[in-house]
Amino acid sequence: AQSVSQHNHHVILSEAASLELGCNYSYGGTVNLFWYVQYPGQHLQLLLKYFSGDPLVKGIKGFEAEFIKSKFSFNLRKPSVQWSDTAEYFCAVKEGSQGNLIFGKGTKLSVKP
Amino acid sequence: DAGVTQSPTHLIKTRGQQVTLRCSPKSGHDTVSWYQQALGQGPQFIFQYYEEEERQRGNFPDRFSGHQFPNYSSELNVNALLLGDSALYLCASTYPGQASGTQYFGPGTRLLVL
Repeated sequence: AQSVSQHNHHVILSEAASLELGCNYSYGGTVNLFWYVQYPGQHLQLLLKYFSGDPLVKGIKGFEAEFIKSKFSFNLRKPSVQWSDTAEYFCAVKEGSQGNLIFGKGTKLSVKP
Repeated sequence: DAGVTQSPTHLIKTRGQQVTLRCSPKSGHDTVSWYQQALGQGPQFIFQYYEEEERQRGNFPDRFSGHQFPNYSSELNVNALLLGDSALYLCASTYPGQASGTQYFGPGTRLLVL
């Protein structure tokens, strides 16, 4: 069965540090890839998505992610984090034309001011 | 433009009871998916409704059932509640003709089973 792995459970950074959150999936066919963010007390929001084309995807708030098909990876990056980036980040995968998202367990990011 | 709305926000039930959760999709969306998010976990897919029919189902028992109405709103019903059903239940909607497209999530209903 398809699975999504997020390598870090909790990441703690200081403001202005660079961020990279890992995401790997197990399905070998066509996939759509997503990063969602859940700020404290708020609902899941779409950060960015990859369907096809340029494997480097830019999202909101300065986030970007790179799809590396050979590594089954879709890592999230931000060059300089802010305190307001404190949140939980979820990687999700959708196989082909299937309607359901398969989520990783999430990575909690804490940014120290 | 209203986003996805869910009701109630919180709910407390006891084992063996039944519960109904409600979802209104984002304006203009016609497909609704339901997810269960246990504490410390990512959301897990329960099922998806499109054109008032269950289009796809995840690995959940028959105690979990749903319905979609002509106005695209949806209900999730859980019978014979177990302690393990305590979780945040999320509804997500998708734009017409893109049942496999981007999903937009509501705030969720937090269910506690005692």
